[in-house]
Order: sequence, then structure tokens, then C-alpha cells
Amino acid sequence: EAQVTQNPRYLITVTGKKLTVTCSQNMNHEYMSWYRQDPGLGLRQIYYSMNVEVTDKGDVPEGYKVSRKEKRNFPLILESPSPNQTSLYFCASWGQGANTNTEAFFGQGTRLTVV
Amino acid sequence: AQSVTQPDIHITVSEGASLELRCNYSYGATPYLFWYVQSPGQGLQLLLKYFSGDTLVQGIKGFEAEFKRSQSSFNLRKPSVHWSDAAEYFCAVAPYTGGFKTIFGAGTRLFVKA
Repeated sequence: EAQVTQNPRYLITVTGKKLTVTCSQNMNHEYMSWYRQDPGLGLRQIYYSMNVEVTDKGDVPEGYKVSRKEKRNFPLILESPSPNQTSLYFCASWGQGANTNTEAFFGQGTRLTVV
Repeated sequence: AQSVTQPDIHITVSEGASLELRCNYSYGATPYLFWYVQSPGQGLQLLLKYFSGDTLVQGIKGFEAEFKRSQSSFNLRKPSVHWSDAAEYFCAVAPYTGGFKTIFGAGTRLFVKA
């Protein structure tokens, strides 16, 4: 089954304690991205990746890092989380090809609370 | 600046009534247009998309949307709403060069009255 898998689904952490949210896709997609979803703001892009070792900032990259060492994985790293990073996070992927490189496939989300 | 506006934060309709969710966009060229649905505790699922051609597009679950270039709009419609349609709906745009630059609207939450 084609899917994007995020872990963990729920996470509560304390300010300053480094954490990683994993994302893996099994569709051999070139493109992947992280979004955060906040009430009234919709989804805002944090980082995206166009292929292995190719990443770039989205609209709200501050406080986040990413890496793309393998095509299937795109982890999101919070080196020193702060309460304003409390949010719902989504990973998404896109393929490459005629009319397939525009529809997003989403993970189920990670709800992060930083206290 | 590129943007997507969904003017209604939430909408309540009675089961069986018709539905229209509004979406306006600001973009340099005609973008690719999407509607996604997010059920509680779930990720986003594609309802329908418009690339070119017929401006009335059909999607899953009985939804349709109409692209109006002159109004920069892409409104979502359903003739008869079911209780299971209660969810949050996101309009989105993406450039021809790649969906990984998709921009989402703020979302409209749909409540369905029995």
C-alpha cells in the first residue's frame, strides 16, 4: 500500500530537548516536504526536498532542520524546541511524471506539544 | 504575492442540503488547483484537482469544483451533504513546475446538522 508514515503520532517534550520526527514514503517519490498546521493559518511549509541531499527552506524554517540522506526518508529535527513550535506537523511527498508531480500524499500527522 | 483565501472559517449545513465552499487565489499564472479534505485525526486527502481543460471538475465523494479564471476562484460544491462530510477542507494551488511548492488556504471547517 502506497503511504507516507510519520512517527511518532503524538509527542510531548520540554523546552530545549532535541527531538526528531521521522517521515518515510514507499512510493519512490523525489519530492518531500514538511508542513506545520496551526488554527486559522492553514498549512505552512517548513522545508522541502527535491531529491537526495537537495533541500531548501519553505516559508517558516526557523528553528527546524531537515536531512535527506535516502530517497524514502525525510526527518524533521528540532534542535532546541520552544513552546511556539507546539503544532500539528505533516510530511508530504510527490512523484515525478506527467500530471503526477503535483498531487501531494500526506502522512497522518504528528501532534507536538512543547512545555 | 501568491496566496489562497478561503473566506469562511467554518460553515454549518443541514444534512441533505447543498454545499458551496469558496476559494480565491492570487497567482502570477494559472496554477494547478486542488481541494483536499482532512477528517479528524487524519492527514489530508485529495478530493479533486484542476490542471486545464473543462473548468468543471469532478472529484471523489460526490464533490465537484468550478474554475473561474475571471474571478480567480475555484469553489467546491456538493449537491447533498452527508454527516460523514463533516471535516476541514483546504483549497490549494501549485505552480506548473512542481507540487512541492503547494500553497494552502487556511481551511474551512464544515459542520453538518442532523
